[in-house]
Amino acid sequence: DTAVSQTPKYLVTQMGNDKSIKCEQNLGHDTMYWYKQDSKKFLKIMFSYNNKELIINETVPNRFSPKSPDKAHLNLHINSLELGDSAVYFCASSQDWLPSYEQYFGPGTRLTVT
Amino acid sequence: EDKVVQSPLSLVVHEGDTVTLNCSYEVTNFRSLLWYKQEKKAPTFLFMLTSSGIEKKSGRLSSILDKKELSSILNITATQTGDSAIYLCAVWFQGAQKLVFGQGTRLTINP
Repeated sequence: DTAVSQTPKYLVTQMGNDKSIKCEQNLGHDTMYWYKQDSKKFLKIMFSYNNKELIINETVPNRFSPKSPDKAHLNLHINSLELGDSAVYFCASSQDWLPSYEQYFGPGTRLTVT
Repeated sequence: EDKVVQSPLSLVVHEGDTVTLNCSYEVTNFRSLLWYKQEKKAPTFLFMLTSSGIEKKSGRLSSILDKKELSSILNITATQTGDSAIYLCAVWFQGAQKLVFGQGTRLTINP
């Protein structure tokens, strides 16, 4: 009965490859997010979707493209992977995108680019 | 620029001690402040503080929001080894419609 799940948990790949990370939530939430956590543990928002509509698109390279096929899913595709993309990527969801709702995080995907 | 700063960055104490973690923010239009605990994997939600709810408590953990000082503290009393984690503070910035996280405090409880 996992609330927010991500696959895969670990991803090791070479520079230049394209990879995808999948996220699903079974909480019935309207809003989903992608965060990146670097080696210093800073969590930074990348994208936010509400009811499948893009709300936030931070200054993320165009190589990163989110896709939300429905409210319960938000996938992240990364083209032409670079060494600096190595990080832990967290998916999260909240009931709505208003500040009165807490966000629930998935277990993270540790991406290592060699 | 909207900013969240936590201190200390790292703290090591003995089991049974009481700790206080700090979070300060610079924000143009404050809406809410959240505390999360991150052990090995996902951050898990602890508290949300707003203008209408400036104090929260759950067991040995409690948190207070000081809107005048633009800060919050997270207190943990009678610490246990299971409290060892990174504690993250996040503030919702109304203008940007997003949560901005601090760099976290790594808390280590030694037996």
